[in-house]
Amino acid sequence: SLELTQPPSVSVPPGQTAFITCSGDRLETTYVSWYQQQPGQSPLLVIYQNNKRPSGIPERFSGSKSGNTATLTISGTQALDEADYYCQAWDRINVVFGGGTKLTVL
Amino acid sequence: QVHLVQSGAEVKKPGASVKVSCKASGYTFSSHAIHWLRQAPGQRLEWMGWIDTGNGNRRYTQKFQDRVSFTRDTSATTVYIELSSLRFEDTAVYYCARDLQSTPTVLGDYWGQGTRVTVSS
Repeated sequence: SLELTQPPSVSVPPGQTAFITCSGDRLETTYVSWYQQQPGQSPLLVIYQNNKRPSGIPERFSGSKSGNTATLTISGTQALDEADYYCQAWDRINVVFGGGTKLTVL
Repeated sequence: QVHLVQSGAEVKKPGASVKVSCKASGYTFSSHAIHWLRQAPGQRLEWMGWIDTGNGNRRYTQKFQDRVSFTRDTSATTVYIELSSLRFEDTAVYYCARDLQSTPTVLGDYWGQGTRVTVSS
């Protein structure tokens, strides 16, 4: 079955670009979504189908995929972007999540 | 606008059942599938399955299929999850999340606020 691997933590200075990766076998054959989760809150969809942004999500959030690795890029990172980020993909008929990456803006 | 409002926190004993509701508003109920997920303390999101709110078709992930049930009340625009034979490890926040379409494609354009279920003796 598909397993998605994310780095446990990423740190970035304010105003710089953060890169969060998500890797998994067969990821190249499926779409990837990304969710932001602030402490104590429900997840928020920030990227779907690899690189599409839902309405209301700032342009500084972008997604890409190359081979078996998907990347969430946050340009001009702000303090309010500090959160946990999860990647998600479909494994045939099941949904799989990565372990999450804690983004620290410092 | 779109809202998914879940029922309140529950405390249950091991072996009991729990039923959580998710009331949808602000859109055509049958046009979007609903997914159920949970998140144990400090853990990753875990998907439990989905229900087609139009025809009632549902799919449960293998881990839960023997003790979970999704139902819907179209007149009340509400979806329910019932989990039976509760164990301590079922302690988690349970979420409903809307899919972009009536059949599962992209989950989670809108989420409920979460329902905390605590299993304790």
